[in-house]
Amino acid sequence: GDSVTQMEGPVTLSEEAFLTINCTYTATGYPSLFWYVQYPGEGLQLLLKATKADDKGSNKGFEATYRKETTSFHLEKGSVQVSDSAVYFCALSLVYGDMRFGAGTRLTVKP
Amino acid sequence: EAGVTQFPSHSVIEKGQTVTLRCDPISGHDNLYWYRRVMGKEIKFLLHFVKESKQDESGMPNNRFLAERTGGTYSTLKVQPAELEDSGVYFCASSQTQPPSLHFGNGTRLTVT
Repeated sequence: GDSVTQMEGPVTLSEEAFLTINCTYTATGYPSLFWYVQYPGEGLQLLLKATKADDKGSNKGFEATYRKETTSFHLEKGSVQVSDSAVYFCALSLVYGDMRFGAGTRLTVKP
Repeated sequence: EAGVTQFPSHSVIEKGQTVTLRCDPISGHDNLYWYRRVMGKEIKFLLHFVKESKQDESGMPNNRFLAERTGGTYSTLKVQPAELEDSGVYFCASSQTQPPSLHFGNGTRLTVT
């Protein structure tokens, strides 16, 4: 079935380090792809999304490109901050379907 | 606008008891979803309402779980009787459009002892 696999955490980085969180998907159709973020004590928030191949979603310095050839949607940020510490979830959604999430990757950024 | 609100934020109950979780979606959002995250694993879909109708309940784990959305506004998710493996964080989300850009609540952390 449709699913998302993301790299296991936790990930610990120093401030200003480069971040990559890998995400690959399996889908029978042409899904939309998302990254959600959950800050401590809060609900999930949409970070960015891409709805078709080669689209790049971006927000708050984070980027992810929808790669159909590699079925991937890796999350990147050039310089992380302490405030980026959170759990990040990759997800997909088919047009008339529900959202499928990955297991989440906990990121801790140390000053 | 007010976001998706869930109540309670935490619930601790004993095995065999009943618990009811409530979700108030963003006003005007026809789509309402319930999800669950167990023991740090992936967030799993439970069911999807469109207004008061169940569009998809394929993720409901068993008949101990009952979801309702009378009048197409708020929704409740009842677990009766609760089992230890029901412990986790239950998220509610709502959306207005397809494909969904979901707006999530803060979740209800359920602990069954």
